[in-house]
Amino acid sequence: GQQLNQSPQSMFIQEGEDVSMNCTSSSIFNTWLWYKQDPGEGPVLLIALYKAGELTSNGRLTAQFGITRKDSFLNISASIPSDVGIYFCAGRNKPADGLTFGKGTHLIIQP
Amino acid sequence: EAGVAQSPRYKIIEKRQSVAFWCNPISGHATLYWYQQILGQGPKLLIQFQNNGVVDDSQLPKDRFSAERLKGVDSTLKIQPAKLEDSAVYLCASSLDRGGQQYFGPGTRLTVT
Repeated sequence: GQQLNQSPQSMFIQEGEDVSMNCTSSSIFNTWLWYKQDPGEGPVLLIALYKAGELTSNGRLTAQFGITRKDSFLNISASIPSDVGIYFCAGRNKPADGLTFGKGTHLIIQP
Repeated sequence: EAGVAQSPRYKIIEKRQSVAFWCNPISGHATLYWYQQILGQGPKLLIQFQNNGVVDDSQLPKDRFSAERLKGVDSTLKIQPAKLEDSAVYLCASSLDRGGQQYFGPGTRLTVT
């Protein structure tokens, strides 16, 4: 089946720094999604991307749908303590498909 | 608007025992999903329902896992008998329709000893 490789696995940053993470796939996706999961909670959708090359922002978050359709990037600017959590990329081919998730990037903000 | 509800939140059982999880989706959502999330990994889709019909159960281990959504609203996921490797968080999600934004519940954390 399709696999998503997400990197880095974890990030230790200082408050105020910018964050970048990415996701690559062994095959093409037609939709890329980015989720955040807090401890004891389910994932929450941050950004959805539907078109190759698309760049979409949600506040301090910006995500891009790669031109090859095999990758996506998420950037967080000026990180704050509440950004701590696990960020997952997810993809699907057809709208009716279930989602394929990456393994997550664990973001830790050092005081 | 109430979110996706799941119960129980935590369950500890011994291997070879049976267990069931319950999910109540957001009102009006036709599509319901069950995902399995093993520690350190992303969620993996187990089964997808559209109303009370199964549309994708290709990754459901059917020898021990079963799920139903009899009236097209609530759903139950059962494991019988459980194995050690079934220890995971079981997430339920729902969407207005297939392809719509998926909203996740808080999950049920299962520990098999």
